[in-house]
This record gives sequence, structure tokens and C-alpha cells, in this order.
Amino acid sequence: DIQMTQSPSTLSASVGDTVIITCRASQSINSWLAWYQQKPGKAPKLLIYKASSLQSGVPSRFSGRGSGTEFTLTITSLQPDDFATYYCQQYNSYSIFTFGPGTKVDIK
Amino acid sequence: EVQLVESGGGLVQPGGSLRLSCAASGFTFSSYWMSWVRQAPGKGLEWVANIKQDASEKYYVDSVKGRFTISRDNAKNSLYLQMDSLRAEDTAVYYCARTPGTSPFDYWGQGALVTVSS
Repeated sequence: DIQMTQSPSTLSASVGDTVIITCRASQSINSWLAWYQQKPGKAPKLLIYKASSLQSGVPSRFSGRGSGTEFTLTITSLQPDDFATYYCQQYNSYSIFTFGPGTKVDIK
Repeated sequence: EVQLVESGGGLVQPGGSLRLSCAASGFTFSSYWMSWVRQAPGKGLEWVANIKQDASEKYYVDSVKGRFTISRDNAKNSLYLQMDSLRAEDTAVYYCARTPGTSPFDYWGQGALVTVSS
């Protein structure tokens, strides 16, 4: 099975900062990677799919890059609404989807 | 507007059964794969199962194989998760999610809490 890792697990940042979260897959998943944002008590929200495609309605300060086994989510000019937990997810095959362990972005 | 509304959660004893339902509206339900995703208290997200448009393919995470069954009724725009032989580690919020081809989960329900405890 494909395993997903994320780093860092926690990130402290200030409004206006640029933050980068890294996600790695244990084997190539081409570009079949998505990023989600989740706030406490809420369902996750899709931000990025196919590694770099921005979901409709998501602000352009969110961007994704990568292919194969290494991927990044970048948030430029961090806003107060962006403090949340972020998950990557591989969907290389319908037979198994795997999430990363999550990265919590909190206020410095 | 796409809406997914889960129901059927609650408290159940270990070894017991529960059936979750997800009512879909605002899109052509029969055109999409659908999935269940869960989140244990204070933990990360875990994909549980998914089902093809015509129910001809179904997949499960290893930890629920043989105990959970995903199904759908396209005439009723509904997704189901039958959970048998429940264990304490199945305690979680269960979300249903729409699963298009290019992205895994683009719409999510609000979640249903399942608590397995004696």
C-alpha cells in the first residue's frame, strides 16, 4: 500500500507569512494528489487536486506543486482564515485512497 | 447546490451493528463514485470505502473488510454504510463524500458520529 507522510506536523506562522507544507508518497502517484483544509468540528474542504489544480472558489494564495513522490502546498500571504489543519491525499487508484497525517498551521 | 446529509449515527455496544445513510441532492447522484471517510476523535482522516456509479465495484480499507458494506440506491439518491461487528476503534465521525474522476472528494457531508462503547 502507498504510505503518505507530511512535514512539518505543526507549523507556527504569522498573518502575511508564506508557508510551505511537504507531502511525500512511498511510491510514485504521478499527479494524483489532493490537498484539503479542515477546521475544528467541520468537514474537510478540497483546495487542490491533481497536484496543482485549484478547486473552484479557492483563493489563489493556495498553490500546489509536484509529481511522482514529492509534493508541496504553498500558502502565500497567510490570512487569519487559513489557520487550520491541512491534509494531503493520494488517489492513484480507486481501490485505495490514503491521507497524510496532517499539518496543523497555528498562530505564532 | 450540492448537499450530502448523513444520518444514522449513535452509540452502539462493541460487536453491535449500525447503518449510516447519506442523502444526496443537487447533482446527478448516479453519475458519481461515492465514498465514506472517517475521523476518530482528535485524529486524522481515514478513507473507509467507495462505490462505483452502478455498484459494480466496491473497495474498502483493510481494517473494515468483512465487517462493513457500502451500498447505494440511485433511485433514492442515497448512499449507505452497513457496519457490523463494531469495535471501539471504529468510533469516529463518518463523512460521505462525492468522488468525481479528477479529484477524490469535492463535496462532503456534515458527518455522523458513531460511538462504540459499553
